[in-house]
Amino acid sequence: GESVGLHLPTLSVQEGDNSIINCAYSNSASDYFIWYKQESGKGPQFIIDIRSNMDKRQGQRVTVLLNKTVKHLSLQIAATQPGDSAVYFCAEQGGSEKLVFGKGTKLTVNP
Amino acid sequence: GAGVSQSPSNKVTEKGKDVELRCDPISGHTALYWYRQSLGQGLEFLIYFQGNSAPDKSGLPSDRFSAERTGGSVSTLTIQRTQQEDSAVYLCASSLVGSATGVSPLHFGNGTRLTVT
Repeated sequence: GESVGLHLPTLSVQEGDNSIINCAYSNSASDYFIWYKQESGKGPQFIIDIRSNMDKRQGQRVTVLLNKTVKHLSLQIAATQPGDSAVYFCAEQGGSEKLVFGKGTKLTVNP
Repeated sequence: GAGVSQSPSNKVTEKGKDVELRCDPISGHTALYWYRQSLGQGLEFLIYFQGNSAPDKSGLPSDRFSAERTGGSVSTLTIQRTQQEDSAVYLCASSLVGSATGVSPLHFGNGTRLTVT
């Protein structure tokens, strides 16, 4: 069935380092993937998305990589800042209208 | 209006009471979604609207849960005879289109935190 999971529930990095958050998905029919950032007390905030016809997409300080062969998605954050501390969710969509979310990775940026 | 607006932001209710949660989507967004998030967990899909119709309500946990959308805009999620396990943050999101016609990211509100005592 559809499921999206994450390799690590928590990630701690030093300010200025690069962060990599990983996500595994199981539905090979998924054709759209999104990363969201959720700060405490707020709703998820869109970061970046990628369609299945791409394997890499870059935004401002963020890059999403998609490996369809192993059904793996990653979010890279360059020069991580304290404001990047949050829970990050990957989500997939394919076939149905709904996004399926993983459980999230909590990123902590140490000064 | 900037983003998705949800009200109330917090709701405390007694077990057995009914509650109504409201969502105002971004103007012009045809698709509207309800998700539920329990403490420290991911988002659980509840229901999806395209316009005023709900093609996918597969995530509603029981018949105590219902939702409607009027005028292609505001949506209400109603929980009847609330139970303690209904305690969670209820998140609403809207998007410009659903995946049937293209993909666009969901934009979320800040949610309604429901506590059933």
